[in-house]
Amino acid sequence: KNEVEQSPQNLTAQEGEFITINCSYSVGISALHWLQQHPGGGIVSLFMLSSGKKKHGRLIATINIQEKHSSLHITASHPRDSAVYICAVSWGSGGGADGLTFGKGTHLIIQP
Amino acid sequence: EPEVTQTPSHQVTQMGQEVILRCVPISNHLYFYWYRQILGQKVEFLVSFYNNEISEKSEIFDDQFSVERPDGSNFTLKIRSTKLEDSAMYFCASGTGEYQPQHFGDGTRLSIL
Repeated sequence: KNEVEQSPQNLTAQEGEFITINCSYSVGISALHWLQQHPGGGIVSLFMLSSGKKKHGRLIATINIQEKHSSLHITASHPRDSAVYICAVSWGSGGGADGLTFGKGTHLIIQP
Repeated sequence: EPEVTQTPSHQVTQMGQEVILRCVPISNHLYFYWYRQILGQKVEFLVSFYNNEISEKSEIFDDQFSVERPDGSNFTLKIRSTKLEDSAMYFCASGTGEYQPQHFGDGTRLSIL
């Protein structure tokens, strides 16, 4: 069965710390997504990766296709970064219509 | 910035009743999706829709569920004969194609009593 595993499940850090969230998957994918879910429930897409590295502001996402592993980094973390960060993948069987398979998410709390 | 809108934000329904969840995708998007998230669990894929037909569906999406794009703007999920275990947050998403991000609505919280 195709699985997406995230670690850690929960992470509490102090403001300013460098944060790393990890994601691994079991078989080859067409793309990997990092998403953010706030307490109200809404989901926001942060990155979509099929190779290499992407950066947006203080967020950096990397993917290693050979190792089937991706990381999301947050530099200079801030309390407003507190949210659930979710890794999701598409397995590439149906082109743009592929549904995403989600990990369980990492609950991040940044304390002032 | 264009966004996906979902209505209602919260729906309470008696078990056994039919419910329709509504979504307005971003206007130039071609691919549409429904996902659900049972409280405390991960988000699960239900169905994708392209070119006026279902493209892919999960094993969750059985005969109890149906989707429709009744006009050029709306995308609906119908759940017939609702069960207690259908209680969840339902998310609509839309996208422009492969290797493009999916844009999510804020969700409809469905509570079955």
